[in-house]
Amino acid sequence: SAVISQKPSRDICQRGTSLTIQCQVDSQVTMMFWYRQQPGQSLTLIATANQGSEATYESGFVIDKFPISRPNLTFSTLTVSNMSPEDSSIYLCSAHGGEGIQYFGAGTRLSVL
Amino acid sequence: AQSVTQPDIHITVSEGASLELRCNYSYGATPYLFWYVQSPGQGLQLLLKYFSGDTLVQGIKGFEAEFKRSQSSFNLRKPSVHWSDAAEYFCAVGGNDMRFGAGTRLTVKP
Repeated sequence: SAVISQKPSRDICQRGTSLTIQCQVDSQVTMMFWYRQQPGQSLTLIATANQGSEATYESGFVIDKFPISRPNLTFSTLTVSNMSPEDSSIYLCSAHGGEGIQYFGAGTRLSVL
Repeated sequence: AQSVTQPDIHITVSEGASLELRCNYSYGATPYLFWYVQSPGQGLQLLLKYFSGDTLVQGIKGFEAEFKRSQSSFNLRKPSVHWSDAAEYFCAVGGNDMRFGAGTRLTVKP
């Protein structure tokens, strides 16, 4: 298994600003993932982040809005740029732990005013 | 394309009663199937997984799930629910490309 530390755990931000969310894994992993969970909804994959390559974004998500870094095998960041109230969500990172399993962080609860 | 359906948005059971949460999937091959639980304010915790072999899989916290290929189902069960089981439960299919169901919110009555 893998332990995922995500921060901040929550934040309240002003419209037009940006927030960077950090995700730290306690072991080296090839693949990390970023999800959005809108209030009362399921998880939607934003992008897959592999070390040493550009993140792969799902339909409806673009790099300019959600830039991702993956500088090494234990760390990734997701930035939510130029935020609007519609970006208010829970953002979750996960790490691929082998056998198709993903291990999740506790999430970042973002409110945009 | 793979997809997951959880037909029940919200289920209420009494403490000590049995529980079954439904999950149906669509997948082109033998799927990797998962159940996750999300307690309020928390991330997702893996309850159990199915890859192959025995179709009845045991998980943590006393949960089990049965894979039925003929019904494309992977229902989650627990014989006796505890108040601490109140949470959101997500069924998921796939591995690297994991797709989640909409979730089932479980309320436990005293």
